[in-house]
Amino acid sequence: DQQVKQNSPSLSVQEGRISILNCDYTNSMFDYFLWYKKYPAEGPTFLISISSIKDKNEDGRFTVFLNKSAKHLSLHIVPSQPGDSAVYFCAASPAWEAGSYQLTFGKGTKLSVIP
Amino acid sequence: DSGVTQTPKHLITATGQRVTLRCSPRSGDLSVYWYQQSLDQGLQFLIQYYNGEERAKGNILERFSAQQFPDLHSELNLSSLELGDSALYFCASSVGLNSGGYNEQFFGPGTRLTVL
Repeated sequence: DQQVKQNSPSLSVQEGRISILNCDYTNSMFDYFLWYKKYPAEGPTFLISISSIKDKNEDGRFTVFLNKSAKHLSLHIVPSQPGDSAVYFCAASPAWEAGSYQLTFGKGTKLSVIP
Repeated sequence: DSGVTQTPKHLITATGQRVTLRCSPRSGDLSVYWYQQSLDQGLQFLIQYYNGEERAKGNILERFSAQQFPDLHSELNLSSLELGDSALYFCASSVGLNSGGYNEQFFGPGTRLTVL
């Protein structure tokens, strides 16, 4: 049973336009949500996170939106650049009270930014 | 460079064998997490150690075990290997303290294990 789902395996966007990557989750115990970016032959790189008490977090060109009632989050990249082409993973973590910040990952969305 | 190192980068072995994967966390990080990325399952949490003690277990097989040493490096031991164990194994580290906010995990480059 997939607790974190990324329903779009791939996404193509023109350079300079907005990229929107979506993620849905089912577990109400998740307290933090994160996006990681991964290039081939490298480990995932942390991009941005959001706590469940917020609905938006922004860092430069990257903004994450959280809709708790819909159990949905999205990552917006504006403007998209060719260097953003990578696989993006959505991940979720329980609160520390569980004693661990173990991550549950989606299967990833491959973003291609076309020059 | 995340500051997390993993060795070896590649490992090719036969079914039934045993291998050890090594991870050195970022300086100052107390928590080490192990993840497995296989083609059909995506990234899956295996096990976490915090300051030498096991803290959480995920989908880790009984044939797999791990430990974290006093210098905080960690090893993941995989035994009685099967073809299906072929995957990328990632180690991640974090500060690991309950500082009132989330501790981001920083991932190493991974070890690619191929079981023939």
